[in-house]
Formats: sequence, structure tokens, C-alpha cells
Amino acid sequence: NAGVMQNPRHLVRRRGQEARLRCSPMKGHSHVYWYRQLPEEGLKFMVYLQKENIIDESGMPKERFSAEFPKEGPSILRIQQVVRGDSAAYFCASSPNTGSSYNEQFFGPGTRLTVL
Amino acid sequence: AQTVTQSQPEMSVQEAETVTLSCTYDTSESNYYLFWYKQPPSRQMILVIRQEAYKQQNATENRFSVNFQKAAKSFSLKISDSQLGDTAMYFCAFTGTYKYIFGTGTRLKVLA
Repeated sequence: NAGVMQNPRHLVRRRGQEARLRCSPMKGHSHVYWYRQLPEEGLKFMVYLQKENIIDESGMPKERFSAEFPKEGPSILRIQQVVRGDSAAYFCASSPNTGSSYNEQFFGPGTRLTVL
Repeated sequence: AQTVTQSQPEMSVQEAETVTLSCTYDTSESNYYLFWYKQPPSRQMILVIRQEAYKQQNATENRFSVNFQKAAKSFSLKISDSQLGDTAMYFCAFTGTYKYIFGTGTRLKVLA
């Protein structure tokens, strides 16, 4: 069973361009979470999605950032008009739906975004 | 607000020795989970050990063990017989439901 997959692993963008980060959850997992890790910091929660629904986006910046998890295909984190401060590692995690209040999250390898 | 604090930015230990990494947290929830993650230079987040708050017994995984003090909201990680491959960033994390809260990390260096 393949783990959580993220691509690209490294992404370089110039200021003002768009960045699209993709996450394929583990097989059978219907919950996806995005976290951001700024340099020398821990991971910070951004958004929690289920298929076709945003459950909690309280950690997402109000502007330029959006996320989706369509019925088919990977989850996408989209950053429009990137700025240097967006340079970070972006991690995706997925979990199954067990019906309990806690579902263990499995982390992908991350995408390192560099904004020039 | 839920917070996780790691007060040791950097630590070093001699190979084969034992080291303890500290972590404290704050929450009003009664049931939750605590984790230690290892992040090597590859940046992959590797789960080292997990503790469920309602379990009294401290979790153990081979050379890794925790000292979970629920009343003190303390969750330290002990690494025994340290190996060069243990060199990495270590993050303490907490979750009550789905939102993982991470500390700022401790950079551990194992010396030959």
C-alpha cells in the first residue's frame, strides 16, 4: 500500500506566479490535511478536506491560498501570486474515516516551495 | 488555546548514551493523543512514538520511550543507546481530534 504521495517534491516559482501542490492520499483514505512548515519552525495546520468538502480552513491565509479535494484525483493546494514569504515546506497528510473522533494521520514527504 | 512547547532548541549526545527531549503542552481536553516525530534532513515526518492520554502506561518503541505526566502536561522522549542515525529534528505534537499542533522542534545531534 503506497503511502501519501506529493508532487512535485521541489517547486521553484518567481514572485507573482502561481504554485500548485498535489497530494494523493493513501488508498482508502478520504480525509486530507495540509500543513505548512516555515524555516526553523514546526508544522502548522492549514486546512482539512474531505471529498468535495472543506471541513476546516481556519489555518489558511485569507488571500491567495485555496485548497480542493475533488471527487476524482488528488487534492490541490493552490497559491496565487506567490511572495517570498510563501517559501516553505508544505506537507499533506491523510487519514481513513473510522467513525471515531480521532483518525491517525499519515504524512507525505512534503513539497518544498522556493519563491525567488 | 492548545499549545505545545519544546524548550530545548538543540541538544547533543554521545553515541550509545541516553538523551531526554522535553515537551510540555496545554489543553483543556480530557482525551487526546501525543506524538513524537523525527524529521531527518530529507524532511520526511517519521512517527517515532504515540501516546493516548487515557492510557496510564508510558509508550515504548524499542530504544524510544516516553515519560507521560498527565497532571503536569509533560511528555518527554527518552532515546536509549543513541545511534548516529538518530541525528534529526524531533517534534512533539498533540491532537484532540484532527488538528495536529506541533512544537518548534529540538535539533538532536548524535556525536561519534
